[in-house]
Amino acid sequence: DAKTTQPNSMESNEEEPVHLPCNHSTISGTDYIHWYRQLPSQGPEYVIHGLTSNVNNRMASLAIAEDRKSSTLILHRATLRDAAVYYCILRDDDMRFGAGTRLTVKP
Amino acid sequence: DSGVTQTPKHLITATGQRVTLRCSPRSGDLSVYWYQQSLDQGLQFLIQYYNGEERAKGNILERFSAQQFPDLHSELNLSSLELGDSALYFCASSVGAFREEQYFGPGTRLTVT
Repeated sequence: DAKTTQPNSMESNEEEPVHLPCNHSTISGTDYIHWYRQLPSQGPEYVIHGLTSNVNNRMASLAIAEDRKSSTLILHRATLRDAAVYYCILRDDDMRFGAGTRLTVKP
Repeated sequence: DSGVTQTPKHLITATGQRVTLRCSPRSGDLSVYWYQQSLDQGLQFLIQYYNGEERAKGNILERFSAQQFPDLHSELNLSSLELGDSALYFCASSVGAFREEQYFGPGTRLTVT
């Protein structure tokens, strides 16, 4: 199984950008890189996904390394509502969640 | 609101019993996924159905079974319940069967006493 490695936790200040890293050195050519987040007491929420090119949406940006062995989720201006566990997942047939990164946003 | 609904929100039952959890996917989504989230195991993929057919299987126990009906709603049946089955059970849906983003419901919290 392809696996991802993320820091256990990160801290950010409100209204500052946040860069959440993910390593996936064993990624295969057909694996999409997905990011989800889970706020306290809620189900996971889709954030963004990509294959090779950088992607932007209203929630975040996804920067994918040229060799695809790592990626970074970018929150451009963190808010208190962005405090959550962020999961980086390689999606082929099924979706396997790791431990994720717990993001704390300080006011 | 993701558009995925799950019932019931909470369920308390005794060991050895059987329960059924229900999920309605977003309108137009053909795939339904079931996940279990416990404190010590994190989020575990259980099973996927696509347009009524089982498509992928994860860490689903033999005591657990699922099905997807013609109207695309899905049910997860848990039998011979044990204390360790206490967890949050999430359902998710996606448009197709491969690699699309998934939209999660609010979950059912199961407590086995």
